Amino acid sequence: DTGVSQNPRHKITKRGQNVTFRCDPISEHNRLYWYRQTLGQGPEFLTYFQNEAQLEKSRLLSDRFSAERPKGSFSTLEIQRTEQGDSAMYLCASSPGGVNEQFFGPGTRLTVL
Amino acid sequence: KNQVEQSPQSLIILEGKNCTLQCNYTVSPFSNLRWYKQDTGRGPVSLTIMTFSENTKSNGRYTATLDADTKQSSLHITASQLSDSASYICVVSAMKTSYDKVIFGPGTSLSVIP
Repeated sequence: DTGVSQNPRHKITKRGQNVTFRCDPISEHNRLYWYRQTLGQGPEFLTYFQNEAQLEKSRLLSDRFSAERPKGSFSTLEIQRTEQGDSAMYLCASSPGGVNEQFFGPGTRLTVL
Repeated sequence: KNQVEQSPQSLIILEGKNCTLQCNYTVSPFSNLRWYKQDTGRGPVSLTIMTFSENTKSNGRYTATLDADTKQSSLHITASQLSDSASYICVVSAMKTSYDKVIFGPGTSLSVIP
């Protein structure tokens, strides 16, 4: 399978715990994006990497959120001290650049109890 | 402010019927517009992408139109099937120096019933 993959697909955690999600983009895609999507809404931009450089972060990305892409391939999104409001689908996408159609992964559904 | 609006919010149609979904945007400078289909619990999948110079693009039973002057787009689905039941998201990209800033609409939830 050469698409974008995300792990885990589902995560249930207690409030206050830390969680980490992983995204593996399509190989050779140098751009990687993280989005958050709540029920009935379109995805909201969180952050963007070009290779290993994090070039932009949304104001939605509070201090409790951190994303990395250390080798310019896979990326991780960590949420510290989770809150119930963090419950959402977290989507990762990658693109090769140019007129950049973004290819989305299946998402990680986070539920904070 | 860059915004994307979609209508209707939700739609129910009978299998075999046609339907048209609308997208209005206030994104500048415009780069491109895409329609995505998102099945429940899955990531969005691209249906069409159009740049400023394109006013129509087809992908099987899906036909997208773009009027860059009025900043409107539509997605027409012909001979709907049960598998068309999904959320359809209009996505508009604005030009930035480093990458296209992407603005998602809220989506139209389509239900096709037998």
